[in-house]
Amino acid sequence: KQEVTQIPAALSVPEGENLVLNCSFTDSAIYNLQWFRQDPGKGLTSLLLIQSSQREQTSGRLNASLDKSSGRSTLYIAASQPGDSATYLCAVPGGGQGNLIFGKGTKLSVKP
Amino acid sequence: DVKVTQSSRYLVKRTGEKVFLECVQDMDHENMFWYRQDPGLGLRLIYFSYDVKMKEKGDIPEGYSVSREKKERFSLILESASTNQTSMYLCASIVAGVTGELFFGEGSRLTVL
Repeated sequence: KQEVTQIPAALSVPEGENLVLNCSFTDSAIYNLQWFRQDPGKGLTSLLLIQSSQREQTSGRLNASLDKSSGRSTLYIAASQPGDSATYLCAVPGGGQGNLIFGKGTKLSVKP
Repeated sequence: DVKVTQSSRYLVKRTGEKVFLECVQDMDHENMFWYRQDPGLGLRLIYFSYDVKMKEKGDIPEGYSVSREKKERFSLILESASTNQTSMYLCASIVAGVTGELFFGEGSRLTVL
C-alpha cells in the first residue's frame, strides 16, 4: 500500500532563505507526483505536477524534482517570502480513478 | 481559469440534522472526490465518483452518502449529522486517466453542535 511521508512537519526560516521541502513515497511505480499549497482554512491549490517521465518542473520561484527510483521528491523555494507561509502537501496516485495519496504536509513559516 | 466551487464555506448545524454539501466543477472532469481533513489525520477520502450516477466508497464512508446526477455536480450528504463529523470538507476533480492534475475547491468548514 502506497504511503507518503513529509519531513519535517514544520519549518521556520527567515525571509530570503532558499529552502527545500521533502516528500517520500514507498511505491515507486507512480505516474506522477503533485505538490499543493494550503493556506489556513482554505482548500488546496495545485502548485506543480511532475509526470513520471520528467525529472523536474519549475514555476516561478518553485522547482520540484522527482526521483522515482529512490521514492523521493523535493520542492525547492528560492528567496522565500512571508507570503510563502502555508502548508505544503505532496501527493501521488493511488487506489485508481485519479485518487491521490497525500502526505500530511510541511507547515512553513517565513519570518520577516 | 479552472474552477471547483463548493456552495458553502462555513456551516453550523445541530446534531441529527441533514446536511448537504454541494460541489460544482467547470472543467468537464469525469472524476470527482470528497475528502475530509482533520488536524493530525490529514486528508481522508470519503467517496468518489468516476461518472454520472456512479460512486465508490473511499476510506471513511460511514455516515455519508453522495449523489452525482450531472457530470459537473457532486453532492455530499450527511443523513444525520453528528459532532464527530465536525471537520473541513474538500471537494476535488480530475480528468479521467492517471496523468491528470487534481483541482480542489475552497473547502466547507462544518461545525456540528
